[in-house]
Amino acid sequence: QVQLVESGGGVVQPGRSLRLSCAASGFTFRSSAMHWVRQAPGKGLEWVAVISYDGSNKHYADSVKGRFTISRDNSKNTLYLQMNSLRPEDTAVYYCASDLVGATTDYWGQGTLVTVSS
Amino acid sequence: EIVLTQSPGTLSLSPGERATLSCRASQSVSGSYLAWYQQKPGQAPRLLIYGASSRATGIPDRFSGSGSGTDFTLTISGLEPEDFAVYYCQQYGSPWTFGQGTKVEIK
Repeated sequence: QVQLVESGGGVVQPGRSLRLSCAASGFTFRSSAMHWVRQAPGKGLEWVAVISYDGSNKHYADSVKGRFTISRDNSKNTLYLQMNSLRPEDTAVYYCASDLVGATTDYWGQGTLVTVSS
Repeated sequence: EIVLTQSPGTLSLSPGERATLSCRASQSVSGSYLAWYQQKPGQAPRLLIYGASSRATGIPDRFSGSGSGTDFTLTISGLEPEDFAVYYCQQYGSPWTFGQGTKVEIK
């Protein structure tokens, strides 16, 4: 059974940092590019970042570039998102998701809520 | 970056009716890397359609996708009570982008 389980969310003050994790099981994590997608309360889906299967290529949305860093540890089947200099507009549910290119299905976690507030 | 524009914003229909959702891209979507997702409150998005017209595993055949280039359509041939939700189109070239969503609500 495929599972993606995010953790690390919570309430944080503006300007502080947070690291999200996404633990994968039940599929070949090391062969899949992985994404972070977020959804602000009551809003639509916003892509945040992608990392290639081996971690050699990374791309970010303009809204987080220079503040967020995506990484992965294939030995631990885990994806990460290091979020620095957090802003109130970063408040959202953060989902990890597997890539869909060349695939017939994708996998999403249940999401973890990040609230940036003083 | 490819911008996706969905219409209408809200669709008010009765169970059994046909729903037609539109997604227009600002430039051609390469490789037909166009997907449709369904999302219900408090849940992660669920993949319905990939490659513009292929149904994902376990998706009922009342859901169908069509289109190419810049114009895509999701059709639900007869709405079931569980189909009332928000639907997003997504292009999954690099980087991903999503449409703003269409809410299908009960009339």
